[in-house]
Amino acid sequence: DAGITQSPRYKITETGRQVTLMCHQTWSHSYMFWYRQDLGHGLRLIYYSAAADITDKGEVPDGYVVSRSKTENFPLTLESATRSQTSVYFCASSEFRTGSADTQYFGPGTRLTVL
Amino acid sequence: RKEVEQDPGPFNVPEGATVAFNCTYSNSASQSFFWYRQDCRKEPKLLMSVYSSGNEDGRFTAQLNRASQYISLLIRDSKLSDSATYLCVVNGGGRYSGGGADGLTFGKGTHLIIQP
Repeated sequence: DAGITQSPRYKITETGRQVTLMCHQTWSHSYMFWYRQDLGHGLRLIYYSAAADITDKGEVPDGYVVSRSKTENFPLTLESATRSQTSVYFCASSEFRTGSADTQYFGPGTRLTVL
Repeated sequence: RKEVEQDPGPFNVPEGATVAFNCTYSNSASQSFFWYRQDCRKEPKLLMSVYSSGNEDGRFTAQLNRASQYISLLIRDSKLSDSATYLCVVNGGGRYSGGGADGLTFGKGTHLIIQP
């Protein structure tokens, strides 16, 4: 049971470069989410997706792009990385049931450093 | 006012003691409540959901007070392995309703250290 995986686990890049963080889940969950976690801010939602080809902005979407061509994959792209995007990025998934938010299961995280 | 507030701690507690922490939330429309546990440099993992009637899972008891908009977590007979950050998580009450997900709002966490 692979669950939810993220790659790479660690990434160092330079300001202005494009970076893509991958997320893959094997549960066929409908919903997938991207969060960033920074000291002093806790977890903040960047983007989420309700199903393939359906995505929407969260709390802090600026500077990020997502896509979801397949249910199991939800890549997050930083189009032009900035130092303020240095963070730990978590992907999560859930099987959302009508009328209530369901448990979210998190991947192991990607630690991104932008120099 | 912050949406989900927790005392960041740290709470330093001797092994075997009982420890409790609370969390307050601002959105009265919130419907689902959770406690997640996060170990250092790891992903958050669900510890338990919080139900209106209160619920217990082994040494852990969670309670919800909708009138006062707070959630509590009680840990009895604490173990060294309980040392972690505990995140209070609240359904966003339709915050991201444009996509259908209620959206979870995370507190910043309470850091617990169990001392031998």
